[in-house]
Amino acid sequence: LAKTTQPISMDSYEGQEVNITCSHNNIATNDYITWYQQFPSQGPRFIIQGYKTKVTNEVASLFIPADRKSSTLSLPRVSLSDTAVYYCLVGAGNDYKLSFGAGTTVTVRA
Amino acid sequence: NAGVTQTPKFRILKIGQSMTLQCTQDMNHNYMYWYRQDPGMGLKLIYYSVGAGITDKGEVPNGYNVSRSTTEDFPLRLELAAPSQTSVYFCASVSEKTAKNIQYFGAGTRLSVL
Repeated sequence: LAKTTQPISMDSYEGQEVNITCSHNNIATNDYITWYQQFPSQGPRFIIQGYKTKVTNEVASLFIPADRKSSTLSLPRVSLSDTAVYYCLVGAGNDYKLSFGAGTTVTVRA
Repeated sequence: NAGVTQTPKFRILKIGQSMTLQCTQDMNHNYMYWYRQDPGMGLKLIYYSVGAGITDKGEVPNGYNVSRSTTEDFPLRLELAAPSQTSVYFCASVSEKTAKNIQYFGAGTRLSVL
């Protein structure tokens, strides 16, 4: 599984856009980039996944440059309920051992 | 849809006691995982299974045992509980058919060993 690096924490205010960048310099050709969100006292939940360029769903957008050595999760117009830990994972379908780093703690203030 | 179900939600054990954390999934996923999460930390992989009858160690397997007799169930056993095993335990499953490793997690079991 490709090693990832992401900021430990980020602060924001309601209504702002939050961008979290994950570095994955040794990403392999068949690796996907997956982001999870974890609220306090809950298990992580999948929010978005991409391979290249841009992916958007009802929760977030994921931007992946051409070299794929990093990716940016974008949360538009955050609210207090977006306060959570966000994890970036990089791996392929045959990666049996999946593990999470410390993630990025996003705190949204009123 | 039930998804991944973990029981119990909370448990307090005395040092040296044993217990089994239950995990069941109804999505017919072959891959299943056990993680532990200490306060303020990320998830650490304890054990995983790629199918019934097949299990393997993760990053932190010491003090734990698992079995996988059916596709649906993946129980985690603590034989001699120690204070260092105080943590929140999460079970997850993955459908290998998607080839994209999207994990589905249970709600967790909060365990305290006193």
